[in-house]
Amino acid sequence: AQSVTQLDSQVPVFEEAPVELRCNYSSSVSVYLFWYVQYPNQGLQLLLKYLSGSTLVKGINGFEAEFNKSQTSFHLRKPSVHISDTAEYFCAVSVDTGRRALTFGSGTRLQVQP
Amino acid sequence: DGGITQSPKYLFRKEGQNVTLSCEQNLNHDAMYWYRQDPGQGLRLIYYSQIVNDFQKGDIAEGYSVSREKKESFPLTVTSAQKNPTAFYLCASSILDRGHNEQFFGPGTRLTVL
Repeated sequence: AQSVTQLDSQVPVFEEAPVELRCNYSSSVSVYLFWYVQYPNQGLQLLLKYLSGSTLVKGINGFEAEFNKSQTSFHLRKPSVHISDTAEYFCAVSVDTGRRALTFGSGTRLQVQP
Repeated sequence: DGGITQSPKYLFRKEGQNVTLSCEQNLNHDAMYWYRQDPGQGLRLIYYSQIVNDFQKGDIAEGYSVSREKKESFPLTVTSAQKNPTAFYLCASSILDRGHNEQFFGPGTRLTVL
């Protein structure tokens, strides 16, 4: 079975500052990794995904993440945040066998302050 | 436009009532999923289906039931046996090709027990 740990439940940051949201995972097999964003009372939108290949993945809205297999991490970064980035961010993993469902972390609330 | 629709957006249930949440997709995806979201707990898998007329329990299936009579539709019934049904419910779908585990989410249904 897989598990995901998001180390920070809330991350306050000032507008235009850089941010990193941390994600660690556990799995006995190779995984696919995802970051989703959720705005209040809405569904989840995919920010980026790592399936294979380059370990640095670029996504929408200026976000990027780096897959580190040795540290089993997939941290999300943005060099300069905007007020509109205020949302809940979820890290998730899945595998190619069995139910293929996503296993989610508990989420990180990013609060961008002016 | 292709996508996933969920209805209703808000639903209120009295104690002892069964209610059904609708999920429809026009993405021609084989797999569909239901997740429950509670504050601070991320998303947890209720049921999933990878083919018409077949579905499997997820991690928290007790008190819920589903059907998959059509590829496009995967309704979820919250029964009176579910002791704490107040939550945000999200439906998702995906294709089943290897390496394509990305899931697309609907806008969600917020269920409140009165």
